[in-house]
Amino acid sequence: GESVGLHLPTLSVQEGDNSIINCAYSNSASDYFIWYKQESGKGPQFIIDIRSNMDKRQGQRVTVLLNKTVKHLSLQIAATQPGDSAVYFCAVSSGSARQLTFGSGTQLTVLP
Amino acid sequence: SAVISQKPSRDICQRGTSLTIQCQVDSQVTMMFWYRQQPGQSLTLIATANQGSEATYESGFVIDKFPISRPNLTFSTLTVSNMSPEDSSIYLCSVGEGTGREKLFFGSGTQLSVL
Repeated sequence: GESVGLHLPTLSVQEGDNSIINCAYSNSASDYFIWYKQESGKGPQFIIDIRSNMDKRQGQRVTVLLNKTVKHLSLQIAATQPGDSAVYFCAVSSGSARQLTFGSGTQLTVLP
Repeated sequence: SAVISQKPSRDICQRGTSLTIQCQVDSQVTMMFWYRQQPGQSLTLIATANQGSEATYESGFVIDKFPISRPNLTFSTLTVSNMSPEDSSIYLCSVGEGTGREKLFFGSGTQLSVL
């Protein structure tokens, strides 16, 4: 089965700096990848997704990078703001079941 | 994306009792998914609820403990039965984009504490 892990359980960045949250997955057949943001007391909120036919995808202030060779996924947040403080989850999908397997989450704290 | 309303948002319950969590979606969806998020942990799929058929449970979850109803295409309930402190978690309802099950959208969750 699939296993998904995040490199760091916590990350602190200064306001205005860029944040990078990393995720590793185990199944080379994984072909869909998604990032969620979860603020305290709320459900996960979709941020951005990417399929395996792409290496990079950009959204508003966020970029997802996919390295299929080393089975690594990252979320970059530009000009990090206090409102970005949350837990970030990556999730991957593969196979006919198309079911997401979630990573353990990284707590991002933005320092003033 | 669909708007998903979940209630209650939180509850404190006594062991041995049951709690039913409701999930309402603002559009008709084929599949609804129930997840559990234990304290400080990631999300684990409990079951997939399809309208008109019995829910499909993941390994480690059984219908007697987590009965699910899906009376129509916009509503589902999850019951946590005969609760113990180990059931203290956030329970989340979600739906997929279109008919898929990958790009999921989540409700705000039910924070359950069992004493």
